[in-house]
Amino acid sequence: EAQVTQNPRYLITVTGKKLTVTCSQNMNHEYMSWYRQDPGLGLRQIYYSMNVEVTDKGDVPEGYKVSRKEKRNFPLILESPSPNQTSLYFCASSPTYLSSYNSPLHFGNGTRLTVT
Amino acid sequence: AQTVTQSQPEMSVQEAETVTLSCTYDTSESDYYLFWYKQPPSRQMILVIRQEAYKQQNATENRFSVNFQKAAKSFSLKISDSQLGDAAMYFCASGGTSYGKLTFGQGTILTVHP
Repeated sequence: EAQVTQNPRYLITVTGKKLTVTCSQNMNHEYMSWYRQDPGLGLRQIYYSMNVEVTDKGDVPEGYKVSRKEKRNFPLILESPSPNQTSLYFCASSPTYLSSYNSPLHFGNGTRLTVT
Repeated sequence: AQTVTQSQPEMSVQEAETVTLSCTYDTSESDYYLFWYKQPPSRQMILVIRQEAYKQQNATENRFSVNFQKAAKSFSLKISDSQLGDAAMYFCASGGTSYGKLTFGQGTILTVHP
């Protein structure tokens, strides 16, 4: 089944403890991105990647790192999480970075992160 | 920079009735796309409908249609014959031709009453 898989689905951690949220897609997509969803703010883009080894900042990249060493994986790293990073996180992928009919955006099921 | 504004935090509709969700946007892109996504309680993000800005004809997908007013930078979603399964958070989004520039609105929670 074609899908974007995020893990974990829920995560509770403490301030300063490094964590990684994994994202994997099995559709050979070139484009992958991370969003955070907060009440009243909608979804905001954190980082995106147009292909392997090509990443770029979105609108809210502070406090996050990403890497794209292989096409299928795009992990989100929080080196020193803080309470203001408590949020719902989504990974998404698409065949290309072009937002065309032939290139719909596929979302993972989200990761609910709580930082205390 | 792009902005997308959904001024209705919550809306409600009776089953089988019609409801319209509002969205306004601002973009400096000359070529862009507009989207409506649905997020049910399962948290899944589901594409409802999309519109290419260069097309004058409003997009339609079954019971879902848009009213795209390019000069007014308005992109509203009309849901006809509302069903209980339409209850969800709806997000409007605007982007250039690249997903790297995709910007979402704040969301509108739609409640459908039986």
